Amino acid sequence: RKEVEQDPGPFNVPEGATVAFNCTYSNSASQSFFWYRQDCRKEPKLLMSVYSSGNEDGRFTAQLNRASQYISLLIRDSKLSDSATYLCVVTASGGSYIPTFGRGTSLIVHP
Amino acid sequence: ETGVTQSPTHLIKTRGQQVTLRCSSQSGHNTVSWYQQALGQGPQFIFQYYREEENGRGNFPPRFSGLQFPNYSSELNVNALELDDSALYLCASTSGNTGELFFGEGSRLTVL
Repeated sequence: RKEVEQDPGPFNVPEGATVAFNCTYSNSASQSFFWYRQDCRKEPKLLMSVYSSGNEDGRFTAQLNRASQYISLLIRDSKLSDSATYLCVVTASGGSYIPTFGRGTSLIVHP
Repeated sequence: ETGVTQSPTHLIKTRGQQVTLRCSSQSGHNTVSWYQQALGQGPQFIFQYYREEENGRGNFPPRFSGLQFPNYSSELNVNALELDDSALYLCASTSGNTGELFFGEGSRLTVL
């Protein structure tokens, strides 16, 4: 089983739609969680951190479920500019701080 | 701009050759990680350096090696290149406060 798993998609949605991605992780000692966005042929950039209490940033909401070992990202009112790959990142505790990436979920927002 | 710069941005090598990729981390960040990203995949962790010492290593063979210098810049060296080494190589420095990774734009390596 991979440490961090994501559905690669693509998720193909119309503008204005609400879309949700999940990411599961295998290491129960994981402590830090992030969503990164990666545009085609560009480097990943931080979208948002994921806190135990959940957090929201405009149209984006991230949640953490430690019991089931998954994090989620919800995008409301999708825009064309949201088209990208969304990478889930999980970091385990203890010793080295090594962020582990999922393979990413591709989102395509169409007119 | 993340303040992380990588060079070269693109390069082409042939099988068996050696390559050195360079990274200058963001000011104040003493931890640098290297990732390999093949087409359609997520970044795969190669290794991490903290204050010039290797601080963790992923599942990559010994022909992948690295260095971190006193100014926290870093190098990734790959010997005996194979076709499967063709990928985007990403360097990231870490904010000690938040754990956020700041990526450079990457070095795209093609092995023929």
